[in-house]
Amino acid sequence: AQSVSQHNHHVILSEAASLELGCNYSYGGTVNLFWYVQYPGQHLQLLLKYFSGDPLVKGIKGFEAEFIKSKFSFNLRKPSVQWSDTAEYFCAVRIKAAGNKLTFGGGTRVLVKP
Amino acid sequence: DGGITQSPKYLFRKEGQNVTLSCEQNLNHDAMYWYRQDPGQGLRLIYYSQIVNDFQKGDIAEGYSVSREKKESFPLTVTSAQKNPTAFYLCASSTHYSRGRDTEAFFGQGTRLTVV
Repeated sequence: AQSVSQHNHHVILSEAASLELGCNYSYGGTVNLFWYVQYPGQHLQLLLKYFSGDPLVKGIKGFEAEFIKSKFSFNLRKPSVQWSDTAEYFCAVRIKAAGNKLTFGGGTRVLVKP
Repeated sequence: DGGITQSPKYLFRKEGQNVTLSCEQNLNHDAMYWYRQDPGQGLRLIYYSQIVNDFQKGDIAEGYSVSREKKESFPLTVTSAQKNPTAFYLCASSTHYSRGRDTEAFFGQGTRLTVV
């Protein structure tokens, strides 16, 4: 069965620090990859997505992610975080061979201290 | 406005009762999903449907049932067989994966179910 692992459950950092959140998945075939964000009290929003092509994808609010096929990874990065980036971040994978099944990781809570 | 509507936002039920959570979308999406969100466990897939009158079990389907009689609606019933029904339930929809790009899922605001 497909699975998605997010290594850090909680991350605490100060404003202007760099952020990197890890995401690994357990399938070797064609995948679509996503990062979602859930701000406190709000619904999940898409940050960025990878379907094909350039493995470095840019999303909203200065976030980017790199797909490394050989490592089955899709890590999320932001060079300089702001207090408003405090949220929970979810990685998700859709495996082409499994149709439309969309599997999420356990989430990472990020707290940015002002 | 196009979107996904889950109702109600908060729901309270007595133990042993079945309860149905509503999810409606007007995005003309083919696929719909139900997830359960618990602290520290991320989103776990309960059921998903790729087209009308078809649905598949997700990773934690036991104690739940769904129907997909209309494209825009995908109600979830939490039955008395579900051992730990108190949770936050999220509904999502997307275009069919075969359409290629722009097939990300869009989420509703969620329903918080409390069973007492």
